Amino acid sequence: GAVVSQHPSRVICKSGTSVKIECRSLDFQATTMFWYRQFPKQSLMLMATSNEGSKATYEQGVEKDKFLINHASLTLSTLTVTSAHPEDSSFYICSANRQEEGTQYFGPGTRLLVL
Amino acid sequence: GNSVTQMEGPVTLSEEAFLTINCTYTATGYPSLFWYVQYPGEGLQLLLKATKADDKGSNKGFEATYRKETTSFHLEKGSVQVSDSAVYFCALSGGTSGSRLTFGEGTQLTVNP
Repeated sequence: GAVVSQHPSRVICKSGTSVKIECRSLDFQATTMFWYRQFPKQSLMLMATSNEGSKATYEQGVEKDKFLINHASLTLSTLTVTSAHPEDSSFYICSANRQEEGTQYFGPGTRLLVL
Repeated sequence: GNSVTQMEGPVTLSEEAFLTINCTYTATGYPSLFWYVQYPGEGLQLLLKATKADDKGSNKGFEATYRKETTSFHLEKGSVQVSDSAVYFCALSGGTSGSRLTFGEGTQLTVNP
């Protein structure tokens, strides 16, 4: 099966610092990856679509200067939460699109807590 | 635009009971349909999928059939286990949304011994 990893799985940081989350497709190449945010007991909210070699496409209401996305290779996308505040605390999940299957495979998620 | 409506939860069943979680969709064109499962504190795992009308996806005893005439993709399992306790998401991609997924709200399933 297709495997997607995320690192770190859990991070605690102080308010005002920046946090980088990595998303890797381990056994396939992904031109497109997606970043989601999930609040407790809710569905996933798409934040942005990350395309290899080009700028990410952000959903309405998502601040692109706060959530920086870089998709520098076909197996790695990163999400950097800049100047994090307590309201950014959440569960962040990435997915990678396996184009030949037309299927998104998800990472295990990153729990961010901003103090 | 695309939308997915899932049966409201939570659903609580006894072990070995029959499970149905309803899912209906609205989409233009011919979407692909998916069921994902999320265990506590984890990401989503693909459970099964179907890409065209009348296809049946199946995995781990779960099944769902792509019904274009009723725009439905209901999830079923004949005999649930305690380990099936999780949140189940119905989703679709394709049509005007390309590879983006449109999710239902999720259904929490609890199976008691």
